[in-house]
Amino acid sequence: SAVISQKPSRDICQRGTSLTIQCQVDSQVTMMFWYRQQPGQSLTLIATANQGSEATYESGFVIDKFPISRPNLTFSTLTVSNMSPEDSSIYLCSVERDRDNTGELFFGEGSRLTVL
Amino acid sequence: RKEVEQDPGPFNVPEGATVAFNCTYSNSASQSFFWYRQDCRKEPKLLMSVYSSGNEDGRFTAQLNRASQYISLLIRDSKLSDSATYLCVVNYYTGRRALTFGSGTRLQVQP
Repeated sequence: SAVISQKPSRDICQRGTSLTIQCQVDSQVTMMFWYRQQPGQSLTLIATANQGSEATYESGFVIDKFPISRPNLTFSTLTVSNMSPEDSSIYLCSVERDRDNTGELFFGEGSRLTVL
Repeated sequence: RKEVEQDPGPFNVPEGATVAFNCTYSNSASQSFFWYRQDCRKEPKLLMSVYSSGNEDGRFTAQLNRASQYISLLIRDSKLSDSATYLCVVNYYTGRRALTFGSGTRLQVQP
């Protein structure tokens, strides 16, 4: 399995502010994924982050709202910008181990964000 | 129509019972299929992949029906520790990987 560390694990933020979530993986991976899980809902893919190129965003998500960095093969950040209460959610970083090619995703423990 | 649909439950079953979940998917080009387990306030973890011929892992059996576009998960001899949300996950490759998660089926095994 892959060991993925996310921080912060939780935070309470004020409307209009921004928060950056960090994701550290214990091995080099080509693609890292950022998901959102809103209360009582399943996971929705926000974007795919590749090292050395811009992130690829899914429909409904834009770079201005969710800028992503991927400076190397073991690290990525997701920023939630200009937050509103609708952004209250769990944000999860995930990776697929390149050598496995099984489609299995490993997830960080998530960052639980509450926006007041 | 959702791409991956599951009955949200909850399924309340006694210990030792057999319980089955179904999941339907809308994209016929879907290539691989998984069941993930998510405990309360925890991250999802892979339970098992689903192969075309069906596969079994201990008390868990997964099956795929491509013609009808559904997958199933059967849990035999339910344990209290099986209580969790079970997520159906479908992968279809559109130039990049796209894992689509169902909203999950909640299982509560009772003593």
